[in-house]
Amino acid sequence: DAKTTQPPSMDCAEGRAANLPCNHSTISGNEYVYWYRQIHSQGPQYIIHGLKNNETNEMASLIITEDRKSSTLILPHATLRDTAVYYCIVRVSFPNNYGQNFVFGPGTRLSVLP
Amino acid sequence: SQTIHQWPATLVQPVGSPLSLECTVEGTSNPNLYWYRQAAGRGLQLLFYSVGIGQISSEVPQNLSASRPQDRQFILSSKKLLLSDSGFYLCAWSVLGFGQGTYGYTFGSGTRLTVV
Repeated sequence: DAKTTQPPSMDCAEGRAANLPCNHSTISGNEYVYWYRQIHSQGPQYIIHGLKNNETNEMASLIITEDRKSSTLILPHATLRDTAVYYCIVRVSFPNNYGQNFVFGPGTRLSVLP
Repeated sequence: SQTIHQWPATLVQPVGSPLSLECTVEGTSNPNLYWYRQAAGRGLQLLFYSVGIGQISSEVPQNLSASRPQDRQFILSSKKLLLSDSGFYLCAWSVLGFGQGTYGYTFGSGTRLTVV
């Protein structure tokens, strides 16, 4: 699986958009970009994933560059409850990744400030 | 709907004592199951994964073992705990073809183990 690079920490004002970048310059054509977050002392929570098109759900938006070498997770109106570590992972999706697993790097620690 | 149960939530054990953490999944069949560990202030480290009953793959050599006696049950064990076994242990599941977020993982709430 391709490796990802994220900034170790970011701050965001409450109510503003939080834009979390991720570089994955060695991503393969069949690898998806996944985002998870981990609030302190809880298990990681799935946020969103995508292959090459931008994606949006009730939690966030995912913007993937045309060359797929980087992506940005956008939390449109950050709240204090969005303070967490955010993980960007690239991985081949089922059914072609039998036995392969998610590799969680250090992620980005997002602090939403009042 | 699918749910994952993990217990206990917290555990304090003396060095040299045995360990058994259990994880069960409901609402799905034939899940892939995973045990992760997170040391204080660190990222998640995959310990074991299982694609079926009795099938266990170990990612790192360690003082722990895993077993899958039933399709939706995954157990993490140790015969003698070490101080370095302290951490936050997470169980997760995924299912071929579908699952939360489509092919993503669903994590349990975790067990915080302190070895004293």
